[in-house]
Amino acid sequence: AQSVTQLGSHVSVSEGALVLLRCNYSSSVPPYLFWYVQYPNQGLQLLLKYTSAATLVKGINGFEAEFKKSETSFHLTKPSAHMSDAAEYFCAVSAPVGKFYFGSGTKLNVKP
Amino acid sequence: DVKVTQSSRYLVKRTGEKVFLECVQDMDHENMFWYRQDPGLGLRLIYFSYDVKMKEKGDIPEGYSVSREKKERFSLILESASTNQTSMYLCASYSTGRVSGELFFGEGSRLTVL
Repeated sequence: AQSVTQLGSHVSVSEGALVLLRCNYSSSVPPYLFWYVQYPNQGLQLLLKYTSAATLVKGINGFEAEFKKSETSFHLTKPSAHMSDAAEYFCAVSAPVGKFYFGSGTKLNVKP
Repeated sequence: DVKVTQSSRYLVKRTGEKVFLECVQDMDHENMFWYRQDPGLGLRLIYFSYDVKMKEKGDIPEGYSVSREKKERFSLILESASTNQTSMYLCASYSTGRVSGELFFGEGSRLTVL
């Protein structure tokens, strides 16, 4: 069975600090992995996705994520947090293709 | 610009009422989904449809039904709303033709049942 675990339901960083949001997955088949962002009272927007082309994936708004098969991880990072990054972030796996499994989400708070 | 549109952003209904949540996508996607989002629980799949008039139960189908009469439209129906169905409902679509494709989401419908 496929599943996604996001460590930390709330993460707080200072503006300008490194953002690290953790995601571990389990999958019996090679996965496709996604990070989505959700701003208050909105739907989910795709930040980035891993499709096996490259292990380091760059997304929008300066975010990137690295696929590490040995660790079954797909952590999301951003070198310098901005106030506008405050949102909820969801990691998702699609395996087999077309079946999506979501983590429980991590709320990112950015302090001035 | 691709789009998934949910007809109602905010609804307030009374216990026992029948509730319709409508979703339309303009991307000619075969697959459409209804998720429920609750704090700390992430997204839970209610129903999905991989073709017109086809539907499959997700993880939490109890108390819900769906209708897909046209490819672009997927409706979620609460036959008799209950207070524990107060939640954010998200519609999404996906193209089978793109192997590594992602889900595209609507803006969400926040339902309050009194």
